[in-house]
This record gives sequence, C-alpha cells and structure tokens, in this order.
Amino acid sequence: DAGVIQSPRHEVTEMGQEVTLRCKPISGHDYLFWYRQTMMRGLELLIYFNNNVPIDDSGMPEDRFSAKMPNASFSTLKIQPSEPRDSAVYFCASSLWGGFTGELFFGEGSRLTVL
Amino acid sequence: GESVGLHLPTLSVQEGDNSIINCAYSNSASDYFIWYKQESGKGPQFIIDIRSNMDKRQGQRVTVLLNKTVKHLSLQIAATQPGDSAVYFCAEAYPMIKAAGNKLTFGGGTRVLVKP
Repeated sequence: DAGVIQSPRHEVTEMGQEVTLRCKPISGHDYLFWYRQTMMRGLELLIYFNNNVPIDDSGMPEDRFSAKMPNASFSTLKIQPSEPRDSAVYFCASSLWGGFTGELFFGEGSRLTVL
Repeated sequence: GESVGLHLPTLSVQEGDNSIINCAYSNSASDYFIWYKQESGKGPQFIIDIRSNMDKRQGQRVTVLLNKTVKHLSLQIAATQPGDSAVYFCAEAYPMIKAAGNKLTFGGGTRVLVKP
C-alpha cells in the first residue's frame, strides 16, 4: 500500500516566486495535515482538513500561505509570494479516525529553499 | 534531507545498551501522548502511544512511561540497535474529542546516535 506521497521532494526558488506543494494522502484516510519543520521552531502544524474541509488553519503563518483540498485524494499548499524565511521542510500527513489514535502517517516531505 | 538539524539534544548510546529519552510536556490538560521517530530524510514515524489513564505501556523493545504529576514522558528502547539512530519526538494532544481530530503538538526532539 502506498504511503502519503508528496511532491516535489526538493524545490529551490527565488524570493517572490509562487510555490505549490502537493500531497496525496493514504486512500481512505479522512484527516490530512500540513506541517512545517525548521531548526528553530521544530514541527509546526499549519492546517488540517477533515473530509476535505479545513478545520483549523490557525497555524498558517500569514496570508501568503493557502491550502486546498479539492477532493479526498489531493491537497496543495501554496506560498505566494515566497520569502527566504519560508525555507523549511514541509510535511503532509494523513490519518483515519478510529477511536482516536495519534498515528499520523507522514510523507517524506518537500524541502523548500527560497533564495 | 534533514529533520531539525544541529541544535537538538543528543543521546549517544552504545549498541546493545538501553536508551532513555525524556520529554517534558507543557499542558496539564493533555490526555494523550505519542512518540515518533524520524530518520534522516524521512517523515516522522509513529512508535507508541499512551493515554493519560495509564502510566506505562510496552511495545516491541520500547516502553513509554508517563508521570502526570511532573508532566514528564519517557521512551525506553531496549538493546539499542544501529537502526534506532534517529530523532525522537514526543507529542501531546488534548482533549480526546473527535471534533478536534488528531491535532498534535510536537516537542523539540532528541537525537539518538548509536555507537557500534
């Protein structure tokens, strides 16, 4: 069974450019999460969806960040315009509600470098 | 790819020894705790969890201990192996209601280096 699939694995872009990160969750999972990981702040939850509906976006740093989940098998995280401080590894994770477990299934991440 | 990188606390362990990784959590209302392992270039991977009505839970070669009095969590790895080298994160969640989903708050992580 394929895990969470993220693309691209690596992205290098220049300040001001638009960045789109993509995620395919595990089939059947009804929760999808976007996390950001940096040396300074560790793993931060940006936003999560339940059944394709955004539930909590309080972790989204600012209006330059947006996330969508048009269907159960696809989500995007967009940064427009990008800034050097957005450089981080962005993880997508999915999970299945079943009496509540903490088992999030993470993708391998998208490493973003903004020059 | 890297996880958090250079500023993590590091635990060096001899292969075959037991490892103990500690975590202080912040919210006394947290009622569910999880340990994740992150290998270089990969996403975090679930290891073991524990609910607040328990103080100990065992898995395969791993044991999690919870002390709610001092808000402390620990992960013990028995007979540490080279494949255990990774960054380990504790995470907390509250409250355990469905509407909140699996919203976890992660700690800063501890790097474990296993020496052959």
